[in-house]
Amino acid sequence: EIVMTQSPATLSVSPGERVTLACRASQSVGRNLAWYQQIPGQAPSLLIYGASSRATGIPARFSGSGSGTEFTLTINSLQSEDFAIYFCQQYNNWPPYSFGQGTKLEIK
Amino acid sequence: EVQLVESGGGLVQPGGSLRLSCSAPGFTFNDITIHWVRQAPGKGPEYVAVLRNDGHTALYADSVRGRFSISRDNSKNTLSLQMRSLRPEDTAVYYCVKARGNSAAFDLWGQGTGVIVSS
Repeated sequence: EIVMTQSPATLSVSPGERVTLACRASQSVGRNLAWYQQIPGQAPSLLIYGASSRATGIPARFSGSGSGTEFTLTINSLQSEDFAIYFCQQYNNWPPYSFGQGTKLEIK
Repeated sequence: EVQLVESGGGLVQPGGSLRLSCSAPGFTFNDITIHWVRQAPGKGPEYVAVLRNDGHTALYADSVRGRFSISRDNSKNTLSLQMRSLRPEDTAVYYCVKARGNSAAFDLWGQGTGVIVSS
């Protein structure tokens, strides 16, 4: 099973700042990597697929990059609605399509 | 509006069974692949299972294989997850999710149904 490791676990930032979240895979997943945002009490929602393609309706301030084992999600000019938990997921190798443990963005 | 709707969650004792359902109003069921993903409290999501479009090929995570089974009723646009021999570690919110195209990036999630396994 591919293990997805996200860092940091928690990030304290101020609105308007730029932030970069990291996700590392224990073996190469090519570009088969997705990012999700989860607001507490809600289901996750897709932000990025294919490592760098924004899902429908996702603002341009969200961008993804990377390939192989190292990936990043960058959020420019943080808005209040961006303070949430972010998960990465690989879908290159079954079994199974594994998720990271998440990075929580909190307001400084 | 396309959506996924889960039902069937609840409180069950260890060793018990539960059947979850996922309906997909707005979709032609044959055209999409629905997966099950669960999320324990305070944890990241965990992949559970999928029934491929052929209606026969089911894949399960190691943690549930042999205890969970997935089936589909196309006439009712419903996917079911039969869970047996439930354990406390199966406690989670269970989501049915739609894959984007032929990938397993999940672009639509249901609201989830909670399962608590406890005596």
